[in-house]
Amino acid sequence: QVPLQESGPGLVKPSGTLSLTCAVSGDSISITNWLSWVRQPPGRGLEWIAEIHHSGSTNYSPSLKSRVTISVDKSKNQFSLNLSSVTAADTAVYYCARQKGYYMDVWGKGTTVTVSS
Amino acid sequence: QSALTQPASVSGSPGQSITISCTGTSSDVGGYNFVSWYQQHPGKAPTLMIYDVNNRPSGVSNRFSGSKSGNTASLTISGLQAEDEADYYCSSYTSSRSYVFGTGTRVTVL
Repeated sequence: QVPLQESGPGLVKPSGTLSLTCAVSGDSISITNWLSWVRQPPGRGLEWIAEIHHSGSTNYSPSLKSRVTISVDKSKNQFSLNLSSVTAADTAVYYCARQKGYYMDVWGKGTTVTVSS
Repeated sequence: QSALTQPASVSGSPGQSITISCTGTSSDVGGYNFVSWYQQHPGKAPTLMIYDVNNRPSGVSNRFSGSKSGNTASLTISGLQAEDEADYYCSSYTSSRSYVFGTGTRVTVL
């Protein structure tokens, strides 16, 4: 198993930038290979945001691409997600998940982010 | 990228079998054998139940099975149990080198 733990501010102001990290514990980040970010607004379904390889290669959701930046910090064994120009519609539980092949086999517990002034 | 279409709810009695459909397009479900299914209990993170259309991860009950025909994938739960009551989401790789989830299905055990 590759435990994943999301963290970041629980409250972000409208028009600001949401910044989250996903810490990988127990194994080298290189074993994690690809990692995805997924979010779930309250009472709604899952939405894929983006994925990143430990080498830095990325793929983004077409609908969020203009506002999302993801990165990897091997020295800290962690991945990061930045979402700019946030609105109330970005309020959600944000998950990181290991991408193995074309599926997500290990998920973090998620972190709740609320966009509000 | 539009969400894959799933029925909002499916129900069944203990011991029965139910099937959840997941309809997409030739750019996602129909174009790749990379459909996965996730179970999510309230307040919990999703867990992987099926990957690559019809493969079960280690530890997942063989009561769960997956299939695909054209642009529609399906998840079947046989011998329905109370613990199966949860939300289920399908997901597919897409031609945009991205992933799309289904709208989600609430399974109720009567």
